[in-house]
Amino acid sequence: AQKVTQAQTEISVVEKEDVTLDCVYETRDTTYYLFWYKQPPSGELVFLIRRNSFDEQNEISGRYSWNFQKSTSSFNFTITASQVVDSAVYFCALSDANSNSGYALNFGKGTSLLVTP
Amino acid sequence: GAGVSQSPSNKVTEKGKDVELRCDPISGHTALYWYRQSLGQGLEFLIYFQGNSAPDKSGLPSDRFSAERTGGSVSTLTIQRTQQEDSAVYLCASSLPPYISGTDTQYFGPGTRLTVL
Repeated sequence: AQKVTQAQTEISVVEKEDVTLDCVYETRDTTYYLFWYKQPPSGELVFLIRRNSFDEQNEISGRYSWNFQKSTSSFNFTITASQVVDSAVYFCALSDANSNSGYALNFGKGTSLLVTP
Repeated sequence: GAGVSQSPSNKVTEKGKDVELRCDPISGHTALYWYRQSLGQGLEFLIYFQGNSAPDKSGLPSDRFSAERTGGSVSTLTIQRTQQEDSAVYLCASSLPPYISGTDTQYFGPGTRLTVL
């Protein structure tokens, strides 16, 4: 069975601070996919990044960076120089290919990030 | 281009009534997913369609829930004899098949907030 754990329920930082959101996953599959989604107060889930299990390269996109480590089953997300607009709930998710459920996402409970001026 | 749309955005109903939720996926997206987001359960997968076919309906919470998809496009999620525990945000997502796009990334609609009184 798959499981995604986001141990941090809420994080509060002051603008311009760096913040790392933790994600630990469990799966028995050798091929799987990891995702991060952002859910701002408006409610819509916004896709941020997808990684497959064969690609452990870290990725940087502007102020966002992701650290994927299979050895520790972690896929952490760092926001550098946080801004108020980064305030949202962030979800880590895991999927694999299954004929019955497609690539259904198994979500963590989410981390609520509050960035204050 | 247009994203995933859902209607209605909000639905308030009385216990015991039937409700129908609609999802319009992104044009060309053959895979469609329904999820439910509630405070107690977080984000949970309900059902997956590939084209008009749903291989596995076991993710639906009870036999009061049903879903269909027609023409490989619009999908409806129907809840019969609604109960208060059905109150949640129902999210729809769609994706291209990986053999076309090389990715299974799901794009979400804004959701339908269902309140059962």
